Amino acid sequence: DGGITQSPKYLFRKEGQNVTLSCEQNLNHDAMYWYRQDPGQGLRLIYYSQIVNDFQKGDIAEGYSVSREKKESFPLTVTSAQKNPTAFYLCASSLGQGGRTEAFFGQGTRLTVV
Amino acid sequence: AQKVTQAQTEISVVEKEDVTLDCVYETRDTTYYLFWYKQPPSGELVFLIRRNSFDEQNEISGRYSWNFQKSTSSFNFTITASQVVDSAVYFCALSEANYGGSQGNLIFGKGTKLSVKP
Repeated sequence: DGGITQSPKYLFRKEGQNVTLSCEQNLNHDAMYWYRQDPGQGLRLIYYSQIVNDFQKGDIAEGYSVSREKKESFPLTVTSAQKNPTAFYLCASSLGQGGRTEAFFGQGTRLTVV
Repeated sequence: AQKVTQAQTEISVVEKEDVTLDCVYETRDTTYYLFWYKQPPSGELVFLIRRNSFDEQNEISGRYSWNFQKSTSSFNFTITASQVVDSAVYFCALSEANYGGSQGNLIFGKGTKLSVKP
């Protein structure tokens, strides 16, 4: 089945540790996105990529890094510089096309700092 | 600046009641797209509808209907004869077509949590 796969579903991080969240899509979409969701908040954009080997910072990029070496994959690293990383992280993809196509989302990764 | 406001944080209804979720947006673009997503307890966002700024025709899909009014910058969502399975958080979102650097990125409201009680 076509879709977006995020892993792991739950992730625990110790203080000062970097962790990487995986996002894979087989929809042949050009654009991919990472959003962060906090309780009672909407989704905020961390990073996005419109094409392979290119990505741009979103509204809350500090403390995060990404790569886009393959069209299908857009991993997100939460670094130790991110002071409050506990949140629900959602990956999405779309055809891009200037925003007129809908985004499809993965099932999310819940990250907790212990 | 672009912004999406969902003033209703939580709504609780009894099954079979009709319910309307409000969405008001602000944009600097003349071409833009509006979306509604549903987030059930499992967490994944499910796409419901897309509307472009040139199409103000209302849409009905089963028990769901959407009312888009550019004059009031609103894109409201109505569920008719609500069911327990409609319980979820609903997000309204906006993307701007032309504003450089952010094409296609979704700007979300904070969501409305709908609880439908049997």
